[in-house]
Amino acid sequence: DTAVSQTPKYLVTQMGNDKSIKCEQNLGHDTMYWYKQDSKKFLKIMFSYNNKELIINETVPNRFSPKSPDKAHLNLHINSLELGDSAVYFCASSQGFLGAYGYTFGSGTRLTVV
Amino acid sequence: GENVEQHPSTLSVQEGDSAVIKCTYSDSASNYFPWYKQELGKRPQLIIDIRSNVGEKKDQRIAVTLNKTAKHFSLHITETQPEDSAVYFCAASYPAYGNKLVFGAGTILRVKS
Repeated sequence: DTAVSQTPKYLVTQMGNDKSIKCEQNLGHDTMYWYKQDSKKFLKIMFSYNNKELIINETVPNRFSPKSPDKAHLNLHINSLELGDSAVYFCASSQGFLGAYGYTFGSGTRLTVV
Repeated sequence: GENVEQHPSTLSVQEGDSAVIKCTYSDSASNYFPWYKQELGKRPQLIIDIRSNVGEKKDQRIAVTLNKTAKHFSLHITETQPEDSAVYFCAASYPAYGNKLVFGAGTILRVKS
């Protein structure tokens, strides 16, 4: 069983469209994250949720809206896609919040905006 | 603010040699330092981690050292093999920022056979 699963794996879309990426973890972890990896491989946190509650919201355009219906799911919706949104988006989860623990990453979603 | 610097950005070694990657962090309150390996087109995977109450940790050919005073930590890979070729990321936790992990910029390691 895949521990952290993301769908879709690839997403090619036109500028201006709205798209969603879904993430689910079956590890029983309390905290989930979205990271963006740009073309230079730099991993930058976007959001973090702990038990469905938003705890980290970096300076991300408000076109990006995360939603966590329960602690096993964290979805990312992106409105009005721009060329600069092209990147690999990784979902991740970790065991705890107050103490730092290692992340388990999903396999990533490669978003290409044309 | 939170910042993790990682060096070198690329590293080429001959098979069998050792490789060392170094990172520095900015917040003395950071208490957790994981290392991730990312192969081409794959997800980052945790390979080793260390907490601030420990100075060194080893797992077979991989070791990590931590100098809290200098805010440095390093990854050491001995007897490198071609399958060690990948991008390696260090990270540090930042308690004041929701305990998020801030990643270094990554090191591309190439092991030549």
